[in-house]
Amino acid sequence: RKEVEQDPGPFNVPEGATVAFNCTYSNSASQSFFWYRQDCRKEPKLLMSVYSSGNEDGRFTAQLNRASQYISLLIRDSKLSDSATYLCVVNMGGGYQKVTFGTGTKLQVIP
Amino acid sequence: NAGVTQTPKFRVLKTGQSMTLLCAQDMNHEYMYWYRQDPGMGLRLIHYSVGEGTTAKGEVPDGYNVSRLKKQNFLLGLESAAPSQTSVYFCASSYPGQGKIDEKLFFGSGTQLSVL
Repeated sequence: RKEVEQDPGPFNVPEGATVAFNCTYSNSASQSFFWYRQDCRKEPKLLMSVYSSGNEDGRFTAQLNRASQYISLLIRDSKLSDSATYLCVVNMGGGYQKVTFGTGTKLQVIP
Repeated sequence: NAGVTQTPKFRVLKTGQSMTLLCAQDMNHEYMYWYRQDPGMGLRLIHYSVGEGTTAKGEVPDGYNVSRLKKQNFLLGLESAAPSQTSVYFCASSYPGQGKIDEKLFFGSGTQLSVL
């Protein structure tokens, strides 16, 4: 089993739709979790950290389920500009050298 | 404030040639990293540094060397390039580097390297 697994997609959704991605992780001792966004041929950029209690930033909601070992990202009212690959990032603990990146989920928002 | 700057952006090498990728950051970050990104795989850590004069191996260090002579610069070297090293390379930096919640990695714009 991979340490971090994501559905590669692509998820093709119309503008205005709500879409959700999940990411599962194998190490129950994982300590911190993040969603990064990567545009085509660009560098990854932090979208949001994932708090234990869940957190929201505008149209984006991130949640953590430790019991089932997954994190989720919900995007409401999708915009064309949301088209990108979303990377799940899990820190096993001990610094960023212990971070594992998922392969990413590709989102395409269609007009 | 430029953030993290990588050079070059593109490079084509022949098998056996050598090259150095330069990463520079102006945020006074202690931690710096080199990753490679291949299709169907997540970013993988090649080498990292927790401060000036220090380096350590990551997940996929073979065939690469690094140096951190100055805090702001982190160099990645390929002594004898192989086709398996064809990839997109990203440099990143962070402060303080614990990977805790609300920390983030700042990435450079990447280097597309092709080895023929």
